[in-house]
Amino acid sequence: KQEVTQIPAALSVPEGENLVLNCSFTDSAIYNLQWFRQDPGKGLTSLLLIQSSQREQTSGRLNASLDKSSGRSTLYIAASQPGDSATYLCAGFTGNQFYFGTGTSLTVIP
Amino acid sequence: GAVVSQHPSWVICKSGTSVKIECRSLDFQATTMFWYRQFPKQSLMLMATSNEGSKATYEQGVEKDKFLINHASLTLSTLTVTSAHPEDSSFYICSAPSTSGRALYEQFFGPGTRLTVL
Repeated sequence: KQEVTQIPAALSVPEGENLVLNCSFTDSAIYNLQWFRQDPGKGLTSLLLIQSSQREQTSGRLNASLDKSSGRSTLYIAASQPGDSATYLCAGFTGNQFYFGTGTSLTVIP
Repeated sequence: GAVVSQHPSWVICKSGTSVKIECRSLDFQATTMFWYRQFPKQSLMLMATSNEGSKATYEQGVEKDKFLINHASLTLSTLTVTSAHPEDSSFYICSAPSTSGRALYEQFFGPGTRLTVL
């Protein structure tokens, strides 16, 4: 069974810092990997989707990479802002099911 | 991107009553939808996979008679929590994957439904 782990579980940084969130998965047979943001009491907002044939995707200040062979994905956030404070989740799709990571709670301090 | 809606966004009910939650794909068709529940400060737990025109597939430990799922059309799936009890209080979220276009199988989530059972 696919297991997805995110490190760190919580992160607090001052505004302006660049940061990296990590996601690791045990089964490399994933179709794609998706990063989400969740604000308290809200649903999930899709940030980036990386297909298995791709190595990275970029959107604004966000960059996500995927290394299937090592079972890892990273989400890089440049020049963090207080509005980036949220929980970030990664999820791998195996073809019939999504497996979610445990999440990283990010706080950006003004 | 594609939009998924849920209704209601918040519901409070008495113990023993049934609650229906709707999940709609607004601008695309979804032959499959997923239902999750999320407890405070925890990640999403997949409850079941809803399939249009056929029975839902439930995850181990999820009572199918308690959580009734109906995928009535290509844009609507419903989750009915029957005879709700306080331990069913949770945040219920649905999602639907895109099945065409550039972002094949990109998953789109509804805004969630907060269920509180008194």
